[in-house]
Amino acid sequence: GDSVTQMEGPVTLSEEACLTINCTYTATGYPSLFWYVQYPGEGLQLLLKATKADDKGSNKGFEATYRKETTSFHLEKGSVQVSDSAVYFCALSDRNNNAGNMLTFGGGTRLMVKP
Amino acid sequence: ETGVTQTPRHLVMGMTNKKSLKCEQHLGHNAMYWYKQSAKKPLELMFVYSLEERVENNSVPSRFSPECPNSSHLFLHLHTLQPEDSALYLCASSHSAGSGRGTGELFFGEGSRLTVL
Repeated sequence: GDSVTQMEGPVTLSEEACLTINCTYTATGYPSLFWYVQYPGEGLQLLLKATKADDKGSNKGFEATYRKETTSFHLEKGSVQVSDSAVYFCALSDRNNNAGNMLTFGGGTRLMVKP
Repeated sequence: ETGVTQTPRHLVMGMTNKKSLKCEQHLGHNAMYWYKQSAKKPLELMFVYSLEERVENNSVPSRFSPECPNSSHLFLHLHTLQPEDSALYLCASSHSAGSGRGTGELFFGEGSRLTVL
Protein backbone atom coordinates (compact mmCIF):
# COMPACT_ATOMS: atom_id res chain seq x y z
CA GLY A 1 0.00 0.00 0.00
CA ASP A 2 0.85 3.67 -0.05
CA SER A 3 3.16 5.05 2.60
CA VAL A 4 4.93 8.29 3.51
CA THR A 5 8.16 8.53 5.49
CA GLN A 6 9.44 11.80 6.87
CA MET A 7 12.29 12.66 9.15
CA GLU A 8 11.65 12.46 12.83
CA GLY A 9 11.88 15.58 14.89
CA PRO A 10 12.03 17.71 16.69
CA VAL A 11 14.04 19.98 14.44
CA THR A 12 15.35 22.97 16.36
CA LEU A 13 16.68 25.95 14.43
CA SER A 14 17.61 29.53 15.11
CA GLU A 15 15.67 32.28 13.40
CA GLU A 16 16.79 32.92 9.80
CA ALA A 17 18.36 29.46 9.47
CA CYS A 18 17.66 27.25 6.45
CA LEU A 19 15.16 24.44 6.77
CA THR A 20 14.88 21.09 5.03
CA ILE A 21 12.42 18.41 6.12
CA ASN A 22 12.84 15.22 4.15
CA CYS A 23 9.86 13.27 2.83
CA THR A 24 9.84 10.13 0.70
CA TYR A 25 6.87 8.13 -0.45
CA THR A 26 5.77 4.79 -1.81
CA ALA A 27 2.74 4.64 -4.06
CA THR A 28 1.38 2.29 -6.70
CA GLY A 29 -0.31 4.97 -8.80
CA TYR A 30 0.38 8.61 -9.63
CA PRO A 31 -0.25 10.46 -6.40
CA SER A 32 -0.58 14.11 -5.63
CA LEU A 33 1.75 15.26 -2.86
CA PHE A 34 1.06 17.69 -0.05
CA TRP A 35 2.60 19.40 2.93
CA TYR A 36 0.23 20.23 5.77
CA VAL A 37 1.10 22.32 8.82
CA GLN A 38 -0.39 22.13 12.29
CA TYR A 39 0.15 25.12 14.56
CA PRO A 40 -0.24 24.61 18.33
CA GLY A 41 -3.85 24.03 19.34
CA GLU A 42 -5.12 23.98 15.78
CA GLY A 43 -6.10 21.50 13.10
CA LEU A 44 -4.06 20.79 10.00
CA GLN A 45 -4.02 23.25 7.13
CA LEU A 46 -2.64 22.88 3.64
CA LEU A 47 0.75 24.53 3.16
CA LEU A 48 1.51 23.55 -0.44
CA LYS A 49 0.93 20.82 -2.98
CA ALA A 50 2.15 19.37 -6.27
CA THR A 51 0.10 17.19 -8.55
CA LYS A 52 2.64 15.79 -11.03
CA ALA A 53 6.32 15.07 -11.45
CA ASP A 54 8.65 18.11 -11.46
CA ASP A 55 5.90 20.41 -10.17
CA LYS A 56 7.04 22.81 -7.46
CA GLY A 57 4.60 23.83 -4.75
CA SER A 58 5.27 27.03 -2.84
CA ASN A 59 3.62 29.13 -0.15
CA LYS A 60 4.74 31.48 2.64
CA GLY A 61 8.38 31.07 1.60
CA PHE A 62 8.19 27.27 1.74
CA GLU A 63 8.90 25.16 -1.36
CA ALA A 64 8.81 21.49 -2.28
CA THR A 65 9.46 19.80 -5.63
CA TYR A 66 7.80 16.55 -6.73
CA ARG A 67 10.73 14.25 -7.60
CA LYS A 68 9.43 11.08 -9.17
CA GLU A 69 12.90 9.61 -9.78
CA THR A 70 13.73 9.73 -6.07
CA THR A 71 10.11 9.47 -4.85
CA SER A 72 10.69 12.52 -2.68
CA PHE A 73 8.96 15.77 -1.78
CA HIS A 74 11.32 17.56 0.60
CA LEU A 75 10.13 20.76 2.27
CA GLU A 76 12.53 23.72 2.21
CA LYS A 77 12.63 27.30 3.44
CA GLY A 78 15.56 29.64 3.15
CA SER A 79 15.00 31.64 6.33
CA VAL A 80 12.70 30.40 9.09
CA GLN A 81 10.86 32.58 11.59
CA VAL A 82 9.69 31.91 15.12
CA SER A 83 6.14 31.89 13.77
CA ASP A 84 7.02 28.83 11.63
CA SER A 85 7.20 26.69 14.77
CA ALA A 86 4.66 23.92 14.17
CA VAL A 87 4.31 20.29 13.16
CA TYR A 88 4.68 19.60 9.44
CA PHE A 89 3.05 16.61 7.74
CA CYS A 90 3.89 15.20 4.34
CA ALA A 91 1.00 13.42 2.64
CA LEU A 92 -0.02 11.81 -0.61
CA SER A 93 -3.37 11.35 -2.28
CA ASP A 94 -4.19 8.31 -4.34
CA ARG A 95 -5.85 9.94 -7.31
CA ASN A 96 -7.11 6.58 -8.50
CA ASN A 97 -9.64 6.54 -5.71
CA ASN A 98 -13.01 7.72 -6.92
CA ALA A 99 -14.60 8.33 -3.58
CA GLY A 100 -13.06 10.50 -0.94
CA ASN A 101 -9.53 11.83 -1.04
CA MET A 102 -7.69 9.13 0.84
CA LEU A 103 -4.70 11.04 2.12
CA THR A 104 -1.86 8.98 3.58
CA PHE A 105 0.15 11.01 6.08
CA GLY A 106 3.68 10.78 7.32
CA GLY A 107 4.37 10.80 11.04
CA GLY A 108 4.89 14.56 11.27
CA THR A 109 8.01 16.59 12.05
CA ARG A 110 7.97 19.15 14.83
CA LEU A 111 9.88 22.33 14.03
CA MET A 112 10.95 24.67 16.82
CA VAL A 113 12.48 28.00 15.86
CA LYS A 114 14.30 29.96 18.54
CA PRO A 115 14.74 33.76 18.46
CA GLU B 1 -14.98 31.06 10.77
CA THR B 2 -12.72 28.16 9.92
CA GLY B 3 -15.12 26.40 7.56
CA VAL B 4 -15.00 23.16 9.53
CA THR B 5 -16.24 23.37 13.11
CA GLN B 6 -15.87 20.64 15.70
CA THR B 7 -17.57 20.39 19.08
CA PRO B 8 -16.77 19.87 21.83
CA ARG B 9 -13.15 20.99 21.74
CA HIS B 10 -12.40 19.01 24.89
CA LEU B 11 -14.16 15.96 26.32
CA VAL B 12 -13.42 13.83 29.37
CA MET B 13 -15.39 10.63 29.75
CA GLY B 14 -15.40 7.42 31.71
CA MET B 15 -15.21 4.04 30.08
CA THR B 16 -18.92 3.39 30.57
CA ASN B 17 -20.14 6.72 29.20
CA LYS B 18 -21.74 7.40 25.85
CA LYS B 19 -20.85 10.66 24.13
CA SER B 20 -20.75 12.09 20.63
CA LEU B 21 -18.39 14.32 18.70
CA LYS B 22 -19.90 16.69 16.16
CA CYS B 23 -18.46 18.17 12.98
CA GLU B 24 -20.03 20.73 10.68
CA GLN B 25 -18.67 22.11 7.43
CA HIS B 26 -19.76 25.26 5.61
CA LEU B 27 -17.65 24.80 2.49
CA GLY B 28 -20.09 23.03 0.19
CA HIS B 29 -18.05 19.85 0.24
CA ASN B 30 -19.52 16.39 -0.28
CA ALA B 31 -16.94 14.21 1.47
CA MET B 32 -16.19 14.15 5.20
CA TYR B 33 -13.61 12.29 7.27
CA TRP B 34 -12.66 11.33 10.79
CA TYR B 35 -8.97 11.06 11.66
CA LYS B 36 -7.38 10.05 14.96
CA GLN B 37 -4.21 11.80 16.07
CA SER B 38 -2.36 10.11 18.92
CA ALA B 39 0.93 11.14 20.46
CA LYS B 40 3.92 9.78 18.54
CA LYS B 41 1.77 7.99 15.96
CA PRO B 42 0.88 8.95 12.38
CA LEU B 43 -2.55 10.33 11.64
CA GLU B 44 -4.96 7.44 11.31
CA LEU B 45 -7.88 7.62 8.90
CA MET B 46 -10.95 6.20 10.63
CA PHE B 47 -13.95 6.82 8.40
CA VAL B 48 -14.76 8.46 5.09
CA TYR B 49 -18.18 9.52 3.87
CA SER B 50 -18.72 10.57 0.27
CA LEU B 51 -22.14 11.83 -0.77
CA GLU B 52 -23.39 10.73 2.67
CA GLU B 53 -22.40 7.10 2.12
CA ARG B 54 -19.63 5.47 4.12
CA VAL B 55 -16.88 4.53 1.68
CA GLU B 56 -14.13 3.65 4.11
CA ASN B 57 -14.05 2.02 7.51
CA ASN B 58 -10.43 1.58 8.34
CA SER B 59 -10.69 -1.38 10.73
CA VAL B 60 -12.02 0.82 13.50
CA PRO B 61 -13.43 -0.89 16.61
CA SER B 62 -17.20 -0.93 16.87
CA ARG B 63 -17.11 1.25 19.99
CA PHE B 64 -16.70 4.10 17.47
CA SER B 65 -19.85 4.63 15.41
CA PRO B 66 -20.01 7.33 12.72
CA GLU B 67 -23.10 9.03 11.41
CA CYS B 68 -23.47 11.35 8.44
CA PRO B 69 -27.06 12.64 8.24
CA ASN B 70 -26.27 15.09 5.42
CA SER B 71 -23.28 16.42 3.52
CA SER B 72 -22.66 19.19 6.06
CA HIS B 73 -22.70 17.19 9.30
CA LEU B 74 -20.70 14.30 10.63
CA PHE B 75 -20.88 12.67 14.05
CA LEU B 76 -18.72 10.18 15.89
CA HIS B 77 -20.64 8.31 18.56
CA LEU B 78 -18.51 6.94 21.37
CA HIS B 79 -19.39 4.16 23.82
CA THR B 80 -17.46 1.93 26.22
CA LEU B 81 -14.15 3.47 25.19
CA GLN B 82 -10.75 2.46 26.52
CA PRO B 83 -8.02 4.71 27.92
CA GLU B 84 -5.94 4.07 24.78
CA ASP B 85 -8.67 5.79 22.79
CA SER B 86 -7.59 9.11 24.31
CA ALA B 87 -6.45 11.25 21.40
CA LEU B 88 -7.22 14.27 19.26
CA TYR B 89 -10.03 13.46 16.83
CA LEU B 90 -9.90 15.52 13.68
CA CYS B 91 -12.73 16.03 11.24
CA ALA B 92 -12.04 17.07 7.66
CA SER B 93 -14.01 17.74 4.51
CA SER B 94 -13.30 17.98 0.79
CA HIS B 95 -14.82 17.72 -2.62
CA SER B 96 -14.98 14.05 -3.49
CA ALA B 97 -12.40 12.82 -5.98
CA GLY B 98 -15.11 11.71 -8.39
CA SER B 99 -16.87 15.07 -8.42
CA GLY B 100 -14.51 16.63 -10.91
CA ARG B 101 -13.74 19.32 -8.33
CA GLY B 102 -11.45 17.23 -6.17
CA THR B 103 -7.98 18.66 -5.74
CA GLY B 104 -6.89 16.24 -3.04
CA GLU B 105 -6.96 19.00 -0.42
CA LEU B 106 -8.63 18.31 2.90
CA PHE B 107 -9.92 21.09 5.13
CA PHE B 108 -9.56 20.25 8.80
CA GLY B 109 -11.34 21.36 11.93
CA GLU B 110 -9.42 22.19 15.08
CA GLY B 111 -10.13 18.82 16.62
CA SER B 112 -11.81 17.39 19.70
CA ARG B 113 -9.39 16.42 22.46
CA LEU B 114 -10.76 13.25 24.08
CA THR B 115 -9.58 11.88 27.40
CA VAL B 116 -10.90 8.51 28.57
CA LEU B 117 -10.49 7.82 32.27
